[in-house]
Amino acid sequence: DQQVKQNSPSLSVQEGRISILNCDYTNSMFDYFLWYKKYPAEGPTFLISISSIKDKNEDGRFTVFLNKSAKHLSLHIVPSQPGDSAVYFCAATLGNTGGFKTIFGAGTRLFVKA
Amino acid sequence: DADVTQTPRNRITKTGKRIMLECSQTKGHDRMYWYRQDPGLGLRLIYYSFDVKDINKGEISDGYSVSRQAQAKFSLSLESAIPNQTALYFCATSRGGGRELFFGEGSRLTVL
Repeated sequence: DQQVKQNSPSLSVQEGRISILNCDYTNSMFDYFLWYKKYPAEGPTFLISISSIKDKNEDGRFTVFLNKSAKHLSLHIVPSQPGDSAVYFCAATLGNTGGFKTIFGAGTRLFVKA
Repeated sequence: DADVTQTPRNRITKTGKRIMLECSQTKGHDRMYWYRQDPGLGLRLIYYSFDVKDINKGEISDGYSVSRQAQAKFSLSLESAIPNQTALYFCATSRGGGRELFFGEGSRLTVL
């Protein structure tokens, strides 16, 4: 049972337009959400995060929105650039004794066309 | 140079062979993790360690073992590799209390 779901395996967007990547989760106990970006032959790198007590976090061209009632979060990239082409993983964490457990979605591959 | 280094980057082996994947880090983090990535399944946690005396099973630990030789080193072993262990393996670190993971570049393992 996947607790974090990214239902779109891929997304194609024109350069300069908005990219919206979606993520749904099932566990209401998740207290923090993160997005990671992965280029081919590299490891994932942290992009942006949001606490469950907030509904929006913005960092430059990247904004994450959290809708707790719908158990849904989204990553907006505006404007999209060819260098944004990568796989994006949504992740959620559960506070736990002695540390944190991170659950990842399957990823969405973003193609930004020049 | 990468802060989290994995060796080997690519390995092809045969069923039944013993394989070790090694991870070393220069970030000074206490916490280290091994993840496995499969298409359509994202990253799943195999084992994690919060210090050199601490080893914990993750979601999919069967068929794997780990060793935390030092704060900076965390190795993953497959005692008898099988084809369904063909995957991309990532080592990661985190600060105590931090939620962000810092990943190595990955080790692609193929078991024939």
